[in-house]
Amino acid sequence: RKEVEQDPGPFNVPEGATVAFNCTYSNSASQSFFWYRQDCRKEPKLLMSVYSSGNEDGRFTAQLNRASQYISLLIRDSKLSDSATYLCVVSETGNQFYFGTGTSLTVIP
Amino acid sequence: DAGVIQSPRHEVTEMGQEVTLRCKPISGHDYLFWYRQTMMRGLELLIYFNNNVPIDDSGMPEDRFSAKMPNASFSTLKIQPSEPRDSAVYFCASNDPGTSGYNEQFFGPGTRLTVL
Repeated sequence: RKEVEQDPGPFNVPEGATVAFNCTYSNSASQSFFWYRQDCRKEPKLLMSVYSSGNEDGRFTAQLNRASQYISLLIRDSKLSDSATYLCVVSETGNQFYFGTGTSLTVIP
Repeated sequence: DAGVIQSPRHEVTEMGQEVTLRCKPISGHDYLFWYRQTMMRGLELLIYFNNNVPIDDSGMPEDRFSAKMPNASFSTLKIQPSEPRDSAVYFCASNDPGTSGYNEQFFGPGTRLTVL
């Protein structure tokens, strides 16, 4: 069983739409949670951390549900520049990260 | 800071050849990670170092793979002999969670390896 599972998509949405991604993790002892963004043929970069209380950064909202062991990312008012692959990341102990395989998003004009 | 530096950016080699990938972490970062990314398996951790010491190499696929970190500013990942199934993008990442308590990993641009 994989540590982190994501729906690979692809998600194709029109500009201005709201889109949500979910991810589940297997280890209930996981401690830190993140969303990374990866553009085509580029390296992954941190989009945002996910806190237990939920957090928002502009058009992006991240939520954590520890009881159900899932993490979500909501993007409002999608822009063309949001087209990328979004990676769900979980850290259990220490400094070791587990990455999901990513969810592909294409925002269409 | 220039960020994490990797070389070469692209490598094409023939099956059976030795391949060496190089990484320079961000100065002051005491953790270094090697990942491999493929379409089928996503991003997989191969090995990581703390203060130049390998901590977990359980992700290294087999004995053909080896990694070293002779000093705080340099690491290598070697594949010998290489096989076509090793074709992937290899990323190096570094971080320093100790000082900030915030463990964002910073990735290099990756090495795209093709083994013919």
